[in-house]
Amino acid sequence: DVKVTQSSRYLVKRTGEKVFLECVQDMDHENMFWYRQDPGLGLRLIYFSYDVKMKEKGDIPEGYSVSREKKERFSLILESASTNQTSMYLCASTKREGNQETQYFGPGTRLLVL
Amino acid sequence: AQKVTQAQTEISVVEKEDVTLDCVYETRDTTYYLFWYKQPPSGELVFLIRRNSFDEQNEISGRYSWNFQKSTSSFNFTITASQVVDSAVYFCALSPFAGNTPLVFGKGTRLSVIA
Repeated sequence: DVKVTQSSRYLVKRTGEKVFLECVQDMDHENMFWYRQDPGLGLRLIYFSYDVKMKEKGDIPEGYSVSREKKERFSLILESASTNQTSMYLCASTKREGNQETQYFGPGTRLLVL
Repeated sequence: AQKVTQAQTEISVVEKEDVTLDCVYETRDTTYYLFWYKQPPSGELVFLIRRNSFDEQNEISGRYSWNFQKSTSSFNFTITASQVVDSAVYFCALSPFAGNTPLVFGKGTRLSVIA
């Protein structure tokens, strides 16, 4: 059974703080993804990674960075949190074979930036 | 460019009614995959179905059915005899058949089933 976990379900931070969102998967998946979800905008891809130490920008990378030091862990970093980064953040993973593989999601982190 | 449109932002139905969620996609690829995900109030997206563009047969799984029409670029999802537990946001998504690229999601349809 595929398991994608995220470090926090709810998080409250202050403007200017550095924020780390952690995602871990236990299925030896090569590909990992970070999305944010906002009402009326659906899911938007922030960053993704196809392998350790590799990263690719998604549709909205501004204000974010990522780290993939280990295969099972993909971290999303908000260097200086701003109120417009208040959102639901979702992590996902798939096998390397890619498009025919199902993307599995974590439970999400609801981040509030005050 | 690829695009998925879910024109219905929100739908409300009374329990036991049938409901269809629309999904229209755009792609220049001749082969591709289509997906549906369910996001209950708990937040986690749950995979429902993957369909490749070779196979236009409709699929039924319990109260769920999917109608894939390549001619109209649609992949609609019907819930028969809806239940309160079906209340969720439903996302349709698309990817090319080959390669290793992120999914393109629609904006989702929020379904509320009222008892």
